[in-house]
Amino acid sequence: NAGVIQTPRHKVTGKGQEATLWCEPISGHSAVFWYRQTIVQGLEFLTYFRNQAPIDDSGMPKERFSAQMPNQSHSTLKIQSTQPQDSAVYLCASSPRDRSYAEQFFGPGTRLTVL
Amino acid sequence: AQSVTQPDARVTVSEGASLQLRCKYSSSVTPYLFWYVQYPRQGLQLLLKYYSGDPVVQGVNGFEAEFSKSNSSFHLRKASVHWSDSAVYFCAPNTGYQNFYFGKGTSLTVIP
Repeated sequence: NAGVIQTPRHKVTGKGQEATLWCEPISGHSAVFWYRQTIVQGLEFLTYFRNQAPIDDSGMPKERFSAQMPNQSHSTLKIQSTQPQDSAVYLCASSPRDRSYAEQFFGPGTRLTVL
Repeated sequence: AQSVTQPDARVTVSEGASLQLRCKYSSSVTPYLFWYVQYPRQGLQLLLKYYSGDPVVQGVNGFEAEFSKSNSSFHLRKASVHWSDSAVYFCAPNTGYQNFYFGKGTSLTVIP
């Protein structure tokens, strides 16, 4: 079991460019979560999928962020027209159930730096 | 609405000393309670969790936590810390349908 895989581990973009982050959840897990982690804000929920369907995107900045899960083996988080304030570590997690009692398994994160 | 407070942003202890990291939550119902740890350049890993029953729960690497309903707390403890315990620790009390809430974290530094 390789755990949750996130690629790339580091990404540097120029202001205004697009960034796509990839997540491969643990096989058999039905729920996939995306979080953003910064020193100031801590760990912020962005969005999650259950059985590939988007369930809650209440944490997503509406204008430039989007997430998809085209199949059960990967999810993507896309940020258009990146801004310096988007610089953060983006964490993906998967869980066998999207319930409050279920453990989440986290990937190592993608560190995004917007110059 | 629920909330969680980890009052200590940074804690420094000497190797071999005992440790307590505090977590207080606010919720109208008793939540499910988790502690996660994040080592440098890694994602979060589960240390332990509490659902019900014995208020003291054991986790990995000698960690334990005690739930107190009267104090709305779920403090993490370890009898003797090791330098490898240096990491950021997150408390996550969760109620209801989703598991989205994490505290700000406590950064632990263990001095050899």
